[in-house]
Amino acid sequence: AQSVTQLDSQVPVFEEAPVELRCNYSSSVSVYLFWYVQYPNQGLQLLLKYLSGSTLVKGINGFEAEFNKSQTSFHLRKPSVHISDTAEYFCAVSDDRDDKIIFGKGTRLHILP
Amino acid sequence: DAGVIQSPRHEVTEMGQEVTLRCKPISGHNSLFWYRQTMMRGLELLIYFNNNVPIDDSGMPEDRFSAKMPNASFSTLKIQPSEPRDSAVYFCASSRTGLEEKLFFGSGTQLSVL
Repeated sequence: AQSVTQLDSQVPVFEEAPVELRCNYSSSVSVYLFWYVQYPNQGLQLLLKYLSGSTLVKGINGFEAEFNKSQTSFHLRKPSVHISDTAEYFCAVSDDRDDKIIFGKGTRLHILP
Repeated sequence: DAGVIQSPRHEVTEMGQEVTLRCKPISGHNSLFWYRQTMMRGLELLIYFNNNVPIDDSGMPEDRFSAKMPNASFSTLKIQPSEPRDSAVYFCASSRTGLEEKLFFGSGTQLSVL
């Protein structure tokens, strides 16, 4: 079965600094990969997804992620964060074999003034 | 479209009481998911339906939990009897059929069992 590991439960970063949120997955077949964002007291929203093709995926709000098959990673990056990026970020994976979507435990992004 | 609609937004109940959470998916979406979010366990998939049929309920914690989808526009998650450890935020999400499709989440139901 597939699984998702988000190594960092919390990441503090200064405003306008770059950030990387890490995500590793395990699956022996082709996968679909997603990043979702959850703002306080709201449901999750899709930031970006990787289905196939170019390994660099651009999403909303200036975020991007790179699919690395050899390292089974799908890290999320933003070159300059804003206070409005304060939220929890979830990595998710699905594949045709298990027929469901699995979420990581989330990484809480704290933007420091 | 109003998005995925969940009710109630907040529910406070006493241990032993029956709790029913409701969800209206986005029109035209064939798949519906129920998730539970806690600090300890993160976001857990409880059950999902495709075309109103339960496909995988392996995430349902125990027999106290049940879910139904009587038609394409409505689903319920019931807990009977409720226990304090059931306290969590319960999310409903819907999507078009296909694992490459993105999920649209409701705003969640914050459940507190005293």
